[in-house]
Amino acid sequence: AQTVTQSQPEMSVQEAETVTLSCTYDTSESDYYLFWYKQPPSRQMILVIRQEAYKQQNATENRFSVNFQKAAKSFSLKISDSQLGDAAMYFCAYRSGAGSYQLTFGKGTKLSVIP
Amino acid sequence: EPEVTQTPSHQVTQMGQEVILRCVPISNHLYFYWYRQILGQKVEFLVSFYNNEISEKSEIFDDQFSVERPDGSNFTLKIRSTKLEDSAMYFCASSSEVGQGTHGYTFGSGTRLTVV
Repeated sequence: AQTVTQSQPEMSVQEAETVTLSCTYDTSESDYYLFWYKQPPSRQMILVIRQEAYKQQNATENRFSVNFQKAAKSFSLKISDSQLGDAAMYFCAYRSGAGSYQLTFGKGTKLSVIP
Repeated sequence: EPEVTQTPSHQVTQMGQEVILRCVPISNHLYFYWYRQILGQKVEFLVSFYNNEISEKSEIFDDQFSVERPDGSNFTLKIRSTKLEDSAMYFCASSSEVGQGTHGYTFGSGTRLTVV
């Protein structure tokens, strides 16, 4: 079974600074997808960014980018120019490329943004 | 932007009672999911549903749980006899393709279920 580990329960960043959230995963598959979801206090799950394992290029969405290291099974999220609205729980998630369609989530990292 | 709508936002029920959580997925989506998040813990997969049948379920999704798409727009999760440990946030999600596809899941805002 796949597992997703987020080793940082809490992180903080100064407004306008950059922060990196860590995620590692364990899988024997070669084809899979990785995601970062944001969960603000409203509790809604919002997709931040996704990465296909077969793509070598790191995904980028505006101020959000990932560092995908397939051999190391690492998938970190970098938030640049942090804003107050970035404060939330961030969950890393894994989905198999074949067979199982479920998302396996990590335990999350609570990000605080300091004005 | 299309949304997944969940009702109610918060439901309190007595232990042993049946509850039905409702979801309206995005209209052109074909795949539907339920996840739950016990307070302070990670989000866990419950079940996926496609073509009017369950396509996958987790160990959590035992005989006390059932899902239904009764009318082509709603997607419901029923818990027959609630237990205290069923207290959690329940998220509905839908996607236009299997799993994430090119469009990804869209999650609803969740229903907070409190069993007393």
